[in-house]
Amino acid sequence: GAGVSQSPSNKVTEKGKDVELRCDPISGHTALYWYRQSLGQGLEFLIYFQGNSAPDKSGLPSDRFSAERTGGSVSTLTIQRTQQEDSAVYLCASSDRIGTNEKLFFGSGTQLSVL
Amino acid sequence: GEDVEQSLFLSVREGDSSVINCTYTDSSSTYLYWYKQEPGAGLQLLTYIFSNMDMKQDQRLTVLLNKKDKHLSLRIADTQTGDSAIYFCAETLGNTGGFKTIFGAGTRLFVKA
Repeated sequence: GAGVSQSPSNKVTEKGKDVELRCDPISGHTALYWYRQSLGQGLEFLIYFQGNSAPDKSGLPSDRFSAERTGGSVSTLTIQRTQQEDSAVYLCASSDRIGTNEKLFFGSGTQLSVL
Repeated sequence: GEDVEQSLFLSVREGDSSVINCTYTDSSSTYLYWYKQEPGAGLQLLTYIFSNMDMKQDQRLTVLLNKKDKHLSLRIADTQTGDSAIYFCAETLGNTGGFKTIFGAGTRLFVKA
């Protein structure tokens, strides 16, 4: 596709339910990131993938959060047993790394609201 | 720790210059970046600078880098109302697993007509 695509754009769920957020990166981009942006807060790093592997999962807030990437392309971020504090915009970005220069291309995000 | 720090707000008048400041953590970062986020949108890369440069100019944008103090700034000349947005400073950190890009909290720029 022309850019990074995220779905859904908005998700409203009840506390305790599981949600899946999807990211379609730019074709051929090897690196893929998930960030979280809470109201009035900056960008919180969650996890990144190089190909299908995740060298750094240190940003995942708890074991309720998990992510996978298949075929070096689409990624899914899963939040189990959602809590109200999980409400935020979840942003995905992909990058075609050239050496240590990493230019990130972002999707428009998924606005998650946990009631 | 891994912290990129920025002031949270800046307000300027239309036509004035804006200067957004950032301090970063890793002196070995080879590239430093400025991203812009407009309301309801994802981030967009604005400009970047290689660490062996002190300054980079791109039309109305000037990036200054002080490696000794690990300080990065973005100057916007002749600021317009369309420049109102959140500006994020970012650096790429290396570690044993590879490297990752981390962001500051963002500076919200208000431009008054």
